[in-house]
Amino acid sequence: QKEVEQDPGPLSVPEGAIVSLNCTYSNSAFQYFMWYRQYSRKGPELLMYTYSSGNKEDGRFTAQVDKSSKYISLFIRDSQPSDSATYLCALGTEGNNRLAFGKGNQVVVIP
Amino acid sequence: ETGVTQSPTHLIKTRGQQVTLRCSSQSGHNTVSWYQQALGQGPQFIFQYYREEENGRGNFPPRFSGLQFPNYSSELNVNALELDDSALYLCASSFKGTGNYGYTFGSGTRLTVV
Repeated sequence: QKEVEQDPGPLSVPEGAIVSLNCTYSNSAFQYFMWYRQYSRKGPELLMYTYSSGNKEDGRFTAQVDKSSKYISLFIRDSQPSDSATYLCALGTEGNNRLAFGKGNQVVVIP
Repeated sequence: ETGVTQSPTHLIKTRGQQVTLRCSSQSGHNTVSWYQQALGQGPQFIFQYYREEENGRGNFPPRFSGLQFPNYSSELNVNALELDDSALYLCASSFKGTGNYGYTFGSGTRLTVV
């Protein structure tokens, strides 16, 4: 079983729709939960991070963590064409130096 | 404030050759991490450097090595290149003490091994 599972299937949605992305993980030691956005030919940029179970909102973005189910989600409300990118979940532990990434979801928002 | 810069942006090498990739960390950052991102995959941790020493390593063979310099810039060296080494190599800098979420990634070096 992989540490982090993210269904890499591409996602096409009309402008204004809600985008829902998720990852599952197997290692209960993970304490930091992040979502990165990666545009074509660019490095990942940090979008959201959370430390505990629950929801965190930042504008149109909501990150959700359920530690008991080892399940994290990212919701994008009122999606825009500029949101078209690959979204990667990333998990880390206190004192550990590495992030464990999912495979990423390519999202296309159609005007 | 400058971000993380990587050079070169693209590189083509022949199997068996050696390659050096370079990274300048973001101003104020003292830690550099390297990741390998194969096509259609998430980044995989190679290693991290802090205070010019390796500070954690992922599941990569010894032919992947690195350096960090006093100005916190870094190099990734790969010897005896294999076809499977073809990937986007990402450098990320951070300030130790801010936790993992303090990473700033560069745009990467696209390495093609033929």
